[in-house]
Amino acid sequence: LAKTTQPISMDSYEGQEVNITCSHNNIATNDYITWYQQFPSQGPRFIIQGYKTKVTNEVASLFIPADRKSSTLSLPRVSLSDTAVYYCLVGDMITGGGNKLTFGTGTQLKVEL
Amino acid sequence: EAEVAQSPRYKITEKSQAVAFWCDPISGHATLYWYRQILGQGPELLVQFQDESVVDDSQLPKDRFSAERLKGVDSTLKIQPAELGDSAMYLCASSLWTSGSSNEQFFGPGTRLTVL
Repeated sequence: LAKTTQPISMDSYEGQEVNITCSHNNIATNDYITWYQQFPSQGPRFIIQGYKTKVTNEVASLFIPADRKSSTLSLPRVSLSDTAVYYCLVGDMITGGGNKLTFGTGTQLKVEL
Repeated sequence: EAEVAQSPRYKITEKSQAVAFWCDPISGHATLYWYRQILGQGPELLVQFQDESVVDDSQLPKDRFSAERLKGVDSTLKIQPAELGDSAMYLCASSLWTSGSSNEQFFGPGTRLTVL
């Protein structure tokens, strides 16, 4: 499984755009990139998943460059309720390796007024 | 909206006692996972089921932990005997993964275990 590296923590203010970058230099051809969000005392929640270029849904965008060795989760106009830990994971969604997710320590995002 | 159910939400036990956690996945989800999350760390996969079969238990401490999913629906994770280092959040998740599709795992609220 590809190892990921992301910042331990980030601070932001309400209304700003937050970009969290994840490094995955050893990503394999069949690997997809997935981001989860976790609030204290709750289980993680799926945010977004992508393979290449850009993916957007109602809560976030995921930018993946051509070499796929990194990815950036973009949260537009964050609010206090976006304060959480964000995990970047990679896994094989084709042959089944992605069925097993390896979580790192994640990025603690703190949003202030 | 369908959710993964777990019980109990909190459990306090003494060292050397036996504890058990229960999980009911989202209906129709063939894949079920048990994770352990120590405070300040990410979740660590303990065991993964596909229907009633274990497909990965490489990180499960088999001398004291056991897991079963007898009918391929709900699942039980047991620890016997519990040790101080087992204090953690135990999370259950389920998914409807198929090859080439998004493997969105749906997590339950977890069971917070404290071993005294």
